[in-house]
Amino acid sequence: DAGVIQSPRHEVTEMGQEVTLRCKPISGHNSLFWYRQTMMRGLELLIYFNNNVPIDDSGMPEDRFSAKMPNASFSTLKIQPSEPRDSAVYFCASSFTGQRNTEAFFGQGTRLTVV
Amino acid sequence: DQQVKQNSPSLSVQEGRISILNCDYTNSMFDYFLWYKKYPAEGPTFLISISSIKDKNEDGRFTVFLNKSAKHLSLHIVPSQPGDSAVYFCAASANGGTSYGKLTFGQGTILTVHP
Repeated sequence: DAGVIQSPRHEVTEMGQEVTLRCKPISGHNSLFWYRQTMMRGLELLIYFNNNVPIDDSGMPEDRFSAKMPNASFSTLKIQPSEPRDSAVYFCASSFTGQRNTEAFFGQGTRLTVV
Repeated sequence: DQQVKQNSPSLSVQEGRISILNCDYTNSMFDYFLWYKKYPAEGPTFLISISSIKDKNEDGRFTVFLNKSAKHLSLHIVPSQPGDSAVYFCAASANGGTSYGKLTFGQGTILTVHP
């Protein structure tokens, strides 16, 4: 398996524009997580899904952020409109969650710069 | 409220010596603990984990110790190598229930191993 695949790797956009980040989890994994990494807040969980259903989106900073998982092999994180303070590295991760939790595998991340 | 804390932002060690990275947690529901390593421009990669039913887990040069009564865990790297230089994240999750493998991360510790 190629691991968790995120696209794009880098995104530079102007303030006010819509940004869509994409993630393909590892096949067979049933949990998917979106994290954001900043200097100030470290790795913070934004939202996570189990079996394609959003479980907890309490980490989503504002209504400008939304995430979807239309099927087991694809998820998007959308920011509309984007603001400079959204600049960060966004990571997608997936894991198989059964009776016991296991490690999550991370993608390479998308470095977002909003100017 | 930071439930997982890594109080040392950085650690510098000589090659061949032991590196000890520390982590404290506050949530008594956590019962599965992980360490991740992160290189620049890459996603975090899983290193080693430990379940709360154990107090030690070893994998080659890496050993994780868990002290449940103190809510403290540590990662020992022996011997340290320059290639170990990276950011190390401690993470924790609660098995079962509705956690679905959700990981809560510490702020990270930058380890530098000098030749």
